[in-house]
Amino acid sequence: GAGVSQSPRYKVAKRGQDVALRCDPISGHVSLFWYQQALGQGPEFLTYFQNEAQLDKSGLPSDRFFAERPEGSVSTLKIQRTQQEDSAVYLCASSLATVTDTQYFGPGTRLTVL
Amino acid sequence: QKEVEQDPGPLSVPEGAIVSLNCTYSNSAFQYFMWYRQYSRKGPELLMYTYSSGNKEDGRFTAQVDKSSKYISLFIRDSQPSDSATYLCAMKGNYGQNFVFGPGTRLSVLP
Repeated sequence: GAGVSQSPRYKVAKRGQDVALRCDPISGHVSLFWYQQALGQGPEFLTYFQNEAQLDKSGLPSDRFFAERPEGSVSTLKIQRTQQEDSAVYLCASSLATVTDTQYFGPGTRLTVL
Repeated sequence: QKEVEQDPGPLSVPEGAIVSLNCTYSNSAFQYFMWYRQYSRKGPELLMYTYSSGNKEDGRFTAQVDKSSKYISLFIRDSQPSDSATYLCAMKGNYGQNFVFGPGTRLSVLP
């Protein structure tokens, strides 16, 4: 595809529900990043993949957050037992190779937890 | 104190004005500096990317990095209403995986 795509674009969940957010990176991009962006704030790093390997998950706020990229392309961010404080925009970005390469962002998934 | 600070704005300027957007940071290890533009309900898009100190120009945009002052700037010349967006700075050191973003400055260019 032409760019990074994310689905769904909007998700409303009741507190306690599990959600899964999908990211399709640019074809051939090795690196994939997930960020959380609260209203009026900049993106905050969650986790980083190089191909299928999750090299850094230091930004995941709790063990309710889990990310995977099993075949080194599409990635899923899963949030279990959602809480109101999880409400945010979840952004995915990909880059060609190294972590210093330009990151291309998707449009984000806006998660609202009621 | 956050690692990267930005004035959140909103900053309102008339069309054609020169805009100056700034970030300060505390981590002297940062070497890679980026400016992103984010329109409402869209993902950030890269505007400028510089390494270490100095200036970089691209069309109407100029990025400056002053590592001695831990201060970076983005200048927009001949600003247009289409420049109205939130501008995010991001930076990273030589080690570690992730870029650290500022909170963003909301810019409004009035026709």
